[in-house]
Amino acid sequence: DIQMTQSPSSVSASVGDRVTITCRASQDISSWLAWYQQKPGNPPKLLIYAASRLQSGVPPRFSGSGSGTDFTLTISSLQPEDFATYYCQKASSFPLAFGGGTRVEI
Amino acid sequence: EVQLLESGGGLVQPGGSLRLSCAASGFTFHNHAMNWVRQAPGKGLEWVSSISGIGGGTYYADSVKGRFTISRDNSKNTLSLQMNSLRAEDTAIYYCTRDLPTLRFPSEGFDHWGQGTQVTVSS
Repeated sequence: DIQMTQSPSSVSASVGDRVTITCRASQDISSWLAWYQQKPGNPPKLLIYAASRLQSGVPPRFSGSGSGTDFTLTISSLQPEDFATYYCQKASSFPLAFGGGTRVEI
Repeated sequence: EVQLLESGGGLVQPGGSLRLSCAASGFTFHNHAMNWVRQAPGKGLEWVSSISGIGGGTYYADSVKGRFTISRDNSKNTLSLQMNSLRAEDTAIYYCTRDLPTLRFPSEGFDHWGQGTQVTVSS
């Protein structure tokens, strides 16, 4: 089965910073990758799908890139409401899998 | 407005059973594949199971295969998860999720999530 590895597991940042999170697949998954944001006590929210397509209603400061095995989620200018945990998810085929998560904190 | 409302969680002893339900509204249910995703306390997300829009295709994580059964009733807009032979490691919040509207299965992501239902397996 394909494994998803995120790095870093946590990152400290300030408002206005540019933040980049990496997700690596153990095998080629083309562009079948999604990114989610989860805040404490809430379900996850879809941010990006198909590696780079912004979900409706998501601010354009979020962007995704990559294909094959290496992917990135970038927040261009961190806002107070962006402090959360971020997960990648492979959507290429079953079994589906999530990365371990990256916590973005102050 | 899309709504997914899970129910059926609770406290169960190891080896016991539970049936989770997800009531869907605000969209054409049979047009979307549906899924269950769980999150153990303080841990990350784990995909559990998926079912196609007409129910003909079902998939399971290895950790639940043979113990859990996903099903749907498109006449009642309801998704279910029958969980048997429960273990302590099944303790988690279980989320019902909707696939993005696409012909592809699996789709490119889960665009709507319920609030989740807590399952606790303990003696």
